Amino acid sequence: GEDVEQSLFLSVREGDSSVINCTYTDSSSTYLYWYKQEPGAGLQLLTYIFSNMDMKQDQRLTVLLNKKDKHLSLRIADTQTGDSAIYFCAERSGGYNKLIFGAGTRLAVHP
Amino acid sequence: DTGVSQNPRHKITKRGQNVTFRCDPISEHNRLYWYRQTLGQGPEFLTYFQNEAQLEKSRLLSDRFSAERPKGSFSTLEIQRTEQGDSAMYLCASSHDVIVQHEQFFGPGTRLTVL
Repeated sequence: GEDVEQSLFLSVREGDSSVINCTYTDSSSTYLYWYKQEPGAGLQLLTYIFSNMDMKQDQRLTVLLNKKDKHLSLRIADTQTGDSAIYFCAERSGGYNKLIFGAGTRLAVHP
Repeated sequence: DTGVSQNPRHKITKRGQNVTFRCDPISEHNRLYWYRQTLGQGPEFLTYFQNEAQLEKSRLLSDRFSAERPKGSFSTLEIQRTEQGDSAMYLCASSHDVIVQHEQFFGPGTRLTVL
């Protein structure tokens, strides 16, 4: 079946790098996504990676994909207090592109 | 603002009452999705529309739930005879089926509380 798992909590110091990890089960997923959710706000698409790529970099964000292990990670360089939020990993599933989300990783950034 | 909008933002109702939520997708987005998010969980897919056709429904969508998109633009999600377990955030998303078709843009959600 389809399942996406993430660790629930990560705490980092301001200025350090954050790495959020995710595993998924659907090997046919063509796109994998990272969404950010701040309190009281909707989901914001941060970045995505196509399944034939190993890495994608977008400013402070680096996405690494290990298809063999079905492992996805999001690295945030120079983490700021404004990065504090819940980060969701999601895989695209099925012909109608529905998203399967993990439970989210709460990132806390402290001074 | 040209993003996805949802109304109302909050709804408190008593068990057994019916509620209806509305979603207005981004203009020209012909794909529309409904998701449900409970506390501490990620969003779960409920249903999908391509234009006015409802093409997929999750097993989560019991007989008490019905969704429509009559003219292929806005959509409504109705829950009949609400139960306390229906308390959740209901999220709507839209995408285009040609232009960057895989990107789904989410609305702010409707938070439902069933007393």
